[in-house]
Amino acid sequence: TQLLEQSPQFLSIQEGENLTVYCNSLSVFSSLQWYRQEPGEGPVLLVTVVTGGEVKKLKRLTFQFGDARKDSSLHITAAQPGDTGLYLCAGDSGTYKYIFGTGTRLKVLA
Amino acid sequence: GAVVSQHPSWVICKSGTSVKIECRSLDFQATTMFWYRQFPKQSLMLMATSNEGSKATYEQGVEKDKFLINHASLTLSTLTVTSAHPEDSSFYICSARGLGDEQFFGPGTRLTVL
Repeated sequence: TQLLEQSPQFLSIQEGENLTVYCNSLSVFSSLQWYRQEPGEGPVLLVTVVTGGEVKKLKRLTFQFGDARKDSSLHITAAQPGDTGLYLCAGDSGTYKYIFGTGTRLKVLA
Repeated sequence: GAVVSQHPSWVICKSGTSVKIECRSLDFQATTMFWYRQFPKQSLMLMATSNEGSKATYEQGVEKDKFLINHASLTLSTLTVTSAHPEDSSFYICSARGLGDEQFFGPGTRLTVL
């Protein structure tokens, strides 16, 4: 069974701080996605990375896919209270079936 | 962007009853839809892959007789929780795969079994 471990599990930071969330696996993925989910809602796609070593930027968010396509990171610069939520990575092994990571719950305090 | 809806958004039922949850892709056709369940403060767990016109593929440990999936059209998949019990209470989320292979998620259905 493929497993995607995210770290940290919980993170509480002050507004303006930077943070990095990690998503690690022993398996290789053909693509990996990052989502943000708010309570009582479905996940919202932030980005999809497909190439080993790929870096994508979305405003204050920077996503990186590991060279071996087994891991990924999400870096947020100058976090804001609106960034609060559950961040999930999800990997596709090539069958278009996504396996979700364990999740990172972020709280940004004003 | 592509929109996926779920109905109902929440449901409360008595133990032993069956509950049907609908997942619709509103502005695109989806040959494949996925059903997930999510317990409080946990991640999403894939339950099954729903393919239009064929039987669903269930993940290990998910009872196919308990969670009936029907994908009768390119825009609709249903999940029926049969003889629901309190341990089935959860947040059920569907997603639909579009032409670009991205998946779009529904808003979820909160099921509470008393």
